Amino acid sequence: ETGVTQSPTHLIKTRGQQVTLRCSSQSGHNTVSWYQQALGQGPQFIFQYYREEENGRGNFPPRFSGLQFPNYSSELNVNALELDDSALYLCASSLGLENEQFFGPGTRLTVL
Amino acid sequence: DQQVKQNSPSLSVQEGRISILNCDYTNSMFDYFLWYKKYPAEGPTFLISISSIKDKNEDGRFTVFLNKSAKHLSLHIVPSQPGDSAVYFCAAKSGTSYGKLTFGQGTILTVHP
Repeated sequence: ETGVTQSPTHLIKTRGQQVTLRCSSQSGHNTVSWYQQALGQGPQFIFQYYREEENGRGNFPPRFSGLQFPNYSSELNVNALELDDSALYLCASSLGLENEQFFGPGTRLTVL
Repeated sequence: DQQVKQNSPSLSVQEGRISILNCDYTNSMFDYFLWYKKYPAEGPTFLISISSIKDKNEDGRFTVFLNKSAKHLSLHIVPSQPGDSAVYFCAAKSGTSYGKLTFGQGTILTVHP
């Protein structure tokens, strides 16, 4: 059974650019959640996708958007990058909305 | 507004002794609480959880205690082992928030041999 994978591992962008992060959910999981973890902080909920529909969103601006595909993999898109977007972005998958979330290793984004 | 707080950034204990990690929350709607462990370059992994209808849950060396009136939970690790050294996050969710987890800032636990 393959766990949650994320790509790329690391990414460096400059202010104003756009970035796409990818997540492959664990086999059989139909729900994906995205979190942002700034340095020294806990993960903060960005949004969740269930069966290709957004199902809940945290306190993040609209320039943070996402997609979930029919195979339940997911993308996180961030437009007009700001320095404060520098963080570890974590993806978690689960079987259904309420069940245990399994986290991937994250993508480290640095915005210069 | 930090709804889940871990006020100790770090904790250092000797191997074999008890580790106690604390967590406070402010949102009365939270009804399910979880502890995650995170090693460097890995994602958080689930450790143990507790529902608000319970005040204690045990799993091997790990026990979580919940004091609803004080809005406080703690994780006890007995005995502590060097392999337990990691960052520990407490997290909470409410029945109305589906899968949204609200995390604390984390506590770095170091267990010395």
